[in-house]
Amino acid sequence: EIVMTQSPATLSVSPGERATLSCRASQSVSSNLAWYQQKPGQAPRLLIYGASTRATGIPARFSGSGSGAEFTLTISSLQSEDFAVYYCQQYNNWPPVTFGQGTKVEIK
Amino acid sequence: EVQLVESGGGLVQPGGSLRLSCAASGFTFGNYAMSWVRQAPGQGLEWVSAISGSGGYTYYSDSVKGRFTISRDSSKDTLYLQMNSLRAEDTALYYCGKDPHYDSSGYYGVIDYWGQGTLVTVSS
Repeated sequence: EIVMTQSPATLSVSPGERATLSCRASQSVSSNLAWYQQKPGQAPRLLIYGASTRATGIPARFSGSGSGAEFTLTISSLQSEDFAVYYCQQYNNWPPVTFGQGTKVEIK
Repeated sequence: EVQLVESGGGLVQPGGSLRLSCAASGFTFGNYAMSWVRQAPGQGLEWVSAISGSGGYTYYSDSVKGRFTISRDSSKDTLYLQMNSLRAEDTALYYCGKDPHYDSSGYYGVIDYWGQGTLVTVSS
């Protein structure tokens, strides 16, 4: 099973600033990496798949990069609605599909 | 508009059974793989199971293999998860999700639409 490790666990950022979230896989997952956003009391929402392709309707301030075992989600200028928990997920080697433990982006 | 609505959750004793349902609308159900993902209270996301659009291929996590069965009924546009021999550690909010790839026999692994979840509590 591929283990996904996200860092940091919590990221404190001021509105308008850039946020950089990291995700590391225990082995290469090629570009088969997705990012999801989850707000309290809501279901997750797909942001990025294929490591760097934005899902339908996702603002351009969200960008993904990386391949192999190291990935990054960047939010270029944090808006109030972006404070949430973010999960990475690999879908290269399954079953099982595996998620990281999440990074909480909170207001500084 | 794609909609996924889960139901069937509730309180069950250890060793008991439940069947979850996920009613789908807004897309051609039989052409897309579907998944179940769960989230224990205050915890992260855990993939549980998936099924191809045709229903011919099913996949399970080791933690539920042999106890849970995923199935689908394209005549009703509904996904199911039969859960037997339930344990306290199965307590979670269970989400169903749609795969984005148009492929009745494959499974991509991404979820582009999620339901709102149904809560399963296993406790005596």
